[in-house]
Amino acid sequence: GAGVSQSPSNKVTEKGKDVELRCDPISGHTALYWYRQSLGQGLEFLIYFQGNSAPDKSGLPSDRFSAERTGGSVSTLTIQRTQQEDSAVYLCASSLVVRAGLGYTFGSGTRLTVV
Amino acid sequence: AQKVTQAQTEISVVEKEDVTLDCVYETRDTTYYLFWYKQPPSGELVFLIRRNSFDEQNEISGRYSWNFQKSTSSFNFTITASQVVDSAVYFCALSEARRGGSEKLVFGKGMKLTVNP
Repeated sequence: GAGVSQSPSNKVTEKGKDVELRCDPISGHTALYWYRQSLGQGLEFLIYFQGNSAPDKSGLPSDRFSAERTGGSVSTLTIQRTQQEDSAVYLCASSLVVRAGLGYTFGSGTRLTVV
Repeated sequence: AQKVTQAQTEISVVEKEDVTLDCVYETRDTTYYLFWYKQPPSGELVFLIRRNSFDEQNEISGRYSWNFQKSTSSFNFTITASQVVDSAVYFCALSEARRGGSEKLVFGKGMKLTVNP
């Protein structure tokens, strides 16, 4: 597509439920990143994909968080047993190759609210 | 460890005023990239500029200019003759540039700019 697409744009879930957030990167972009933006912590890196593999998962805050990418394209971020502190905007970004000089394109994010 | 500090959290100016957004960074890498992103109320992060650590030339793009000084580890952003459409949250960010690295971004906390008519 023309840009990075994320769905849903908003998600309200009950504490303890699992949620899945989806990211459709720009077609052909091999690098994909997930970030989280929360009031207390600002913008934080979660995980990086190169193709379907995730060589850097260092930002995932706990084992309740996982992500996968299939076909070198769509990625899903899953949060199990959601907690209130998981409430944040989850941003996805993609890049043609891992060359920061080319810049990332960010999606508009999924706003997750855990009640 | 890498760190980006944006000391100002919020600035309010009147249209046509100039405004400078400060950014100070810390890194042990000798090669790195610095970025500025704009986040308007719609929420999407918009790329403004990338600067390579070896390139200390200042840059001007229309009403925007950037001052990179390695000696003070600063990468400041100035908006000249601000306009209401400049109202947004601005983020400074740092990325390592190692071969095989993820080149993930480390962001500052952001600075909310409000330009009043």
